[in-house]
Amino acid sequence: GNSVTQMEGPVTLSEEAFLTINCTYTATGYPSLFWYVQYPGEGLQLLLKATKADDKGSNKGFEATYRKETTSFHLEKGSVQVSDSAVYFCALSDGGYNKLIFGAGTRLAVHP
Amino acid sequence: DAGITQSPRHKVTETGTPVTLRCHQTENHRYMYWYRQDPGHGLRLIHYSYGVKDTDKGEVSDGYSVSRSKTEDFLLTLESATSSQTSVYFCAIGSSGAGTEAFFGQGTRLTVV
Repeated sequence: GNSVTQMEGPVTLSEEAFLTINCTYTATGYPSLFWYVQYPGEGLQLLLKATKADDKGSNKGFEATYRKETTSFHLEKGSVQVSDSAVYFCALSDGGYNKLIFGAGTRLAVHP
Repeated sequence: DAGITQSPRHKVTETGTPVTLRCHQTENHRYMYWYRQDPGHGLRLIHYSYGVKDTDKGEVSDGYSVSRSKTEDFLLTLESATSSQTSVYFCAIGSSGAGTEAFFGQGTRLTVV
């Protein structure tokens, strides 16, 4: 079945460091791919998405490119801030009723 | 704010008791979902609904039932709570179309003692 694998954290960085969180997926067909973010005590909110191969999603300085050849959707940011501290979830939508399949989540802690 | 309200936000209950969690939306979205969040597992789908009285099972549906009698309300019931159902439960809403964003509620933290 469909699945998502992402690097487990925690990831600890200093402010202004470069961030990469790896995400790979297994899916039949052509899923849509998402990154959701969860700030402490809150629900999840969409960070960015891509719906077809080679699409790049971007938002708030974060980017991820849908790579079908490597079945990956890695999240990157060039310079993280303390306010980026959160849990990041990679997910795919398997088409039917837009149900989401999530990775385990990666906790990011950014220190001043 | 996507207009999703979960209630209660926190609940402690005893093993063997029934529990109902409520999700209410004001966005008129057709699809509604219940997920549970557990460390190391991310979020996993329990049940979902694609219309009034139209529901189906997700990945981890054992021990749970749902009902949707109105577009705006989606109820999740634990018929007889067990300690393995201690978790954070999230309701989400969405629409049709590839890549459509899902909107999540604030979550309900349920502890079964």
